[in-house]
Amino acid sequence: QVQLQQWGAGLLKPSETLSLTCVVYGGPLSGYYWSWIRQPPGKGLEWIGEINHSGSTSYNPSLKSRVTVSVETSKNQFSLKLSSVTAADTAVYYCARGLSGWNKDWGQGTLVTVSS
Amino acid sequence: DIQMTQSPSSLSASVGDRVTMTCRASQSISSYLNWYQQKPGKAPKLLIFGIYTLHSGVPSRFSGSGSGTEFTLTISSLQPEDFATYYCQQSYSTPRTFGQGTKVEIK
Repeated sequence: QVQLQQWGAGLLKPSETLSLTCVVYGGPLSGYYWSWIRQPPGKGLEWIGEINHSGSTSYNPSLKSRVTVSVETSKNQFSLKLSSVTAADTAVYYCARGLSGWNKDWGQGTLVTVSS
Repeated sequence: DIQMTQSPSSLSASVGDRVTMTCRASQSISSYLNWYQQKPGKAPKLLIFGIYTLHSGVPSRFSGSGSGTEFTLTISSLQPEDFATYYCQQSYSTPRTFGQGTKVEIK
């Protein structure tokens, strides 16, 4: 049973960089798409971006200039960086494993709050 | 971007009811339509991918249908554990957009 465990700073100031890591237990990175999705408090889901096992990335155009998703195969983990955060980036951030765009396994979620 | 629109935004139903909700895409997405269930404070769970295919472990009372731009999620007999918010998602292209959700509440 694959488990995704994510971690990272939960409180940021405006203009700082959000950094989250998702460690994959019980399965390899190869063969899957690895995604980040966020959910502002009380709102719906927003796809941030994804990376596949070969390192190819795709990002939401609304965030593309600020987002980097990367994989560290040796540690079986992948990461999200979002620069120049504002209050609008306050959300629960989820990592997820998927195939062909659907996400079958999810991390537990990390609430990131941006506040001065 | 492909826009996904769900209806209704919320519905009230009783245990045992048959429940149907709709998801419309702003353009044809072929069979690249997925459904998720989310309970408060929890991560979403994949229910159905590719319009019809139930994810492992999902009860058979859940079913998906549709084609092109209009899709439906049906719960044949609502159970207490099914009260949640349901999201559709298109995986035809990036960004992989979600609908705004349908909240199923207890009548």
